[in-house]
Amino acid sequence: DAMVIQNPRYQVTQFGKPVTLSCSQTLNHNVMYWYQQKSSQAPKLLFHYYDKDFNNEADTPDNFQSRRPNTSFCFLDIRSPGLGDAAMYLCATSPRLQETQYFGPGTRLLVL
Amino acid sequence: TQLLEQSPQFLSIQEGENLTVYCNSSSVFSSLQWYRQEPGEGPVLLVTVVTGGEVKKLKRLTFQFGDARKDSSLHITAAQPGDTGLYLCAGDGSQGNLIFGKGTKLSVKP
Repeated sequence: DAMVIQNPRYQVTQFGKPVTLSCSQTLNHNVMYWYQQKSSQAPKLLFHYYDKDFNNEADTPDNFQSRRPNTSFCFLDIRSPGLGDAAMYLCATSPRLQETQYFGPGTRLLVL
Repeated sequence: TQLLEQSPQFLSIQEGENLTVYCNSSSVFSSLQWYRQEPGEGPVLLVTVVTGGEVKKLKRLTFQFGDARKDSSLHITAAQPGDTGLYLCAGDGSQGNLIFGKGTKLSVKP
């Protein structure tokens, strides 16, 4: 089945230790998104890629970076995780902008 | 600024009851999506509505898009414990992003 896959589902890291979360898709969608979701809150968009074009939300901290080496994969790099970065990180895809987004199961990040 | 307001924020009901969740905005959206999210999982798309006045049914769930495309509602008939979750509405933003409401957390007790 075509889908959005996120690995790992749970990630534990130490304060200040760089961490990378990964997302892959078999939908062949042009757009890939990364969201941060804290407990009982709506997802907050961090950035998105339209093909290779990177679009950063204005309030996304510099601590968060992303890479998209090809259509199928997208990575979220957190350079120096703080305790406040503990959250669920969601990857989503859509065929084009302003079209329905399909979410992966998320990676729950814990920062010790 | 495009905003989507969802109400109620929390809802706790008994199995078998009916409920309605609302998603309102002062902005016009070309489409709205409804998602359900279970704890520890990503949001799962339930429906996309694109036409003003549109009504879509998904088993016991009925979705309506307002005539002016500024609001939407989700009605659940005879709720079951499996309906428990966070219900999110989302509309297409002017920047190509998705504008989310804050969600309605539904708990259906057996």
